[in-house]
This record gives sequence, C-alpha cells and structure tokens, in this order.
Amino acid sequence: QVQLQESGPGLVKPSETLSLTCSVSGGSMSDSYWSWIRQSPGKGLEWIGYMYDSGGANYNPSLESRVTISVGTSKNQVSLRLTSVTAADTAVYYCARESCSTASCQHYYMDVWGKGTTVTVSS
Amino acid sequence: DIVMTQSPLSLPVTPGEPASISCRSSLSLLHSNGYTYLDWYLQKPGQSPQLLIYLGSNRASGVPDRFSGGGSGTDFTLRISRVEAEDVGIYYCMQNIQSPYTFGPGTKLEIK
Repeated sequence: QVQLQESGPGLVKPSETLSLTCSVSGGSMSDSYWSWIRQSPGKGLEWIGYMYDSGGANYNPSLESRVTISVGTSKNQVSLRLTSVTAADTAVYYCARESCSTASCQHYYMDVWGKGTTVTVSS
Repeated sequence: DIVMTQSPLSLPVTPGEPASISCRSSLSLLHSNGYTYLDWYLQKPGQSPQLLIYLGSNRASGVPDRFSGGGSGTDFTLRISRVEAEDVGIYYCMQNIQSPYTFGPGTKLEIK
C-alpha cells in the first residue's frame, strides 16, 4: 500500500525558503493528485495546494505568490517550496494523496497522508 | 473562500452512546454534477488526519459502519451510532467544491 514520508529541515530562518520533500513508496504517482496541507495551532488545517501528474498545480490564493509544488528530484517524490517565510509559516506540514472517488473522477479525496513534519520559522 | 463551521467544538461522550457533529458551509456544496463535495476526517491523538466520509455520505474503506454522514446543501452531520474508546480525536469537515479547500475548526471528541 502507498506510504508517504515528509522530510526537510525542521528550522528555517525568517525570509528564507522552506523546502520539503514527500517520498512516495508502495505505489505509482500517476492518476492521483498530490497535496500539501499544514496545521498550526492558530489556524487549524490549511490546504496549501496540489499538483497532478501532468505537471499542473493548484494553489491556495493566500499562498500562491510564495508556493511551488512539483515533482521532486526523484520520480517518486513531491516537493514543496515556500519562499519568504515568517513565523506565521510555523506548522506541521503534511503531504497527502488525492484519489479519484467517482468513475469519471469528478471528485478526489485525501485517502493517504504522511505522518507530517514540523517546521519552525525562527532566527 | 468558503467558510466551514462546526458544532460543538468539544464533545464528551459516554462509551456506547451516540454522538453527532454538525458542519455548516457558507456556500452550497452541491455541485451541478449532483455530488456533494463534503468530506469528513478524523485526527486521532498524535496522528495525521484520516479519511472517514467522502461526498457527504460515503464511508471510506475500512471505516466502521457505526459512522455515517448526511446532510445536503450547506448543513451536514456526522453521526456515530455507538461511540467506542478508539473514536477519540478531532473531527474535521472539509469542502473541496471550490478552491481553496477549507476545513472546519474541528470537533474534539473525548470519552467521559
């Protein structure tokens, strides 16, 4: 079965770039969307965006100017890049697979989640 | 953005008793294709969220049948027919009819 593992630096300085990787094992990356979601005590669960296997992406407008989700350096990886971070970006970051829930893929659900990785923004 | 609200935010329940969580959206989640774009997730203590219900009323694979989802338009309910100790955690509703996806604030279920 598919498993996801997030990795990356746990501490990032303000104004720098946060880079995380989601490693996908046990299955193919095709036919799915790949999402990033974060969770901070102040804001609950926040959807960051997703990429799909044709290379396109859809981002939360609140982060769109700073975020990039793309295939990682390895074919079985999804990367998240968030620029110009501030303390408000401190959170647990999760990656999740979005799978098609209907025959014609009119809806996707997040059926596999990674364990999450904690990122603190601080000097 | 579509705003999701939940009530109650805290829910103490005696094992074996039923429980109900309400979720409301600021916009109808009924798509023109006839599907309702409302999912429920449970985050157990120390774990990542897990899918419980999708499209308003469909149980995800492996989810016990004591969980059921219902509602339409802007008002939805997650019901647990008989709460068990393993059901503790925070329950979130989420809409994905419109980008950005948005989550409710969560309902924390605890055992009395």
